[in-house]
Amino acid sequence: GIQVEQSPPDLILQEGANSTLRCNFSDSVNNLQWFHQNPWGQLINLFYIPSGTKQNGRLSATTVATERYSLLYISSSQTTDSGVYFCAVRVASGTYKYIFGTGTRLKVLA
Amino acid sequence: DAGVTQSPTHLIKTRGQQVTLRCSPKSGHDTVSWYQQALGQGPQFIFQYYEEEERQRGNFPDRFSGHQFPNYSSELNVNALLLGDSALYLCASSRFGGAGGRNEQFFGPGTRLTVL
Repeated sequence: GIQVEQSPPDLILQEGANSTLRCNFSDSVNNLQWFHQNPWGQLINLFYIPSGTKQNGRLSATTVATERYSLLYISSSQTTDSGVYFCAVRVASGTYKYIFGTGTRLKVLA
Repeated sequence: DAGVTQSPTHLIKTRGQQVTLRCSPKSGHDTVSWYQQALGQGPQFIFQYYEEEERQRGNFPDRFSGHQFPNYSSELNVNALLLGDSALYLCASSRFGGAGGRNEQFFGPGTRLTVL
């Protein structure tokens, strides 16, 4: 089955710093989402981005489907950005399930 | 616009018991997926329901079963609970977009199940 790897696994930043999170996947996908999981377990939708580039405030994301990776950029990080970031993909071959990546645990220090 | 809701929020059971978790999808959505998230791991797909039928199943035993009602809400049932079933159970809803189409999922707050 498809492998979804995220890097780095852990990241510690000072408030105000920028960061780039990466998601690599081993097969063609037709759906890709980025989520932020807060300390209470809620998965918050950040981007639906099977291809191209999107921006939402301090966050932006780029997916290069032909090269099988996606990037999530966080600028001017805040303590409320702390948590775990997941990418999730759906393979482009008739399956309906999403496969989640290994996650990046981010801690932003004040 | 109400989002995805799940009940209960927390549940404590003992080994061998049975449990039922409930999910109401986001308004306008017709597809419900269930995921299990063990501590420190990413969510794992259990199954998906569409038009009141199980459309796809992940690598979970038959002890895990589900149901979808005509109003699109869904239940997850787990029989003969094991200690290893302790996890956060997440429900996601989406609008059916075809096998190769757009399928953006929105998640509920989850049910935290503890098996003693």
